[in-house]
Amino acid sequence: AQSVTQLDSHVSVSEGTPVLLRCNYSSSYSPSLFWYVQHPNKGLQLLLKYTSAATLVKGINGFEAEFKKSETSFHLTKPSAHMSDAAEYFCVVSYTGTASKLTFGTGTRLQVTL
Amino acid sequence: DAMVIQNPRYQVTQFGKPVTLSCSQTLNHNVMYWYQQKSSQAPKLLFHYYDKDFNNEADTPDNFQSRRPNTSFCFLDIRSPGLGDAAMYLCATSGINTVYGYTFGSGTRLTVV
Repeated sequence: AQSVTQLDSHVSVSEGTPVLLRCNYSSSYSPSLFWYVQHPNKGLQLLLKYTSAATLVKGINGFEAEFKKSETSFHLTKPSAHMSDAAEYFCVVSYTGTASKLTFGTGTRLQVTL
Repeated sequence: DAMVIQNPRYQVTQFGKPVTLSCSQTLNHNVMYWYQQKSSQAPKLLFHYYDKDFNNEADTPDNFQSRRPNTSFCFLDIRSPGLGDAAMYLCATSGINTVYGYTFGSGTRLTVV
């Protein structure tokens, strides 16, 4: 069975400071891992994905994530937060297979203050 | 641009009055999904179509139905909406192999009055 745990339901940072959103996964198979962002009343936008290639994955808007198999983690980071980064972030896991379903974490709300 | 389009963005319906939400895609993806997302929660999968094959989640209420008349379109029908069905409904698509993730539409926010 696959599952994903987002360790923080809410993270608050000041503009210009680093962002760290934590995610741990469990999967019986080689996982595909994703981070999605959702702004208020909007759909989900793919930030980045890990699909068994490079363990350090770069995404859009300056975000990146590192796949660490030994720690079963896929934390999302950004060196410098911007006000526009304030949103809900979902860590998602999937089997690398056919038409497999995505399993969502419970989400982390990122607040960015001046 | 290839995309997933949901209409309408906002839908208000009366308690018990049937409502249909629509989703279209220009990605030519085989798989289309419907998710329900309630406030401050993760999206919950209702069902998905693999081409014309319908796959219902075990805990999806019978009140929710879906149709996929062709590759491009998929509809979510709520036969008798209750107050508890007020939510954001998200449509998503993927290729046969979901290694690349899903592409989501912007969602339809359903209000039941």
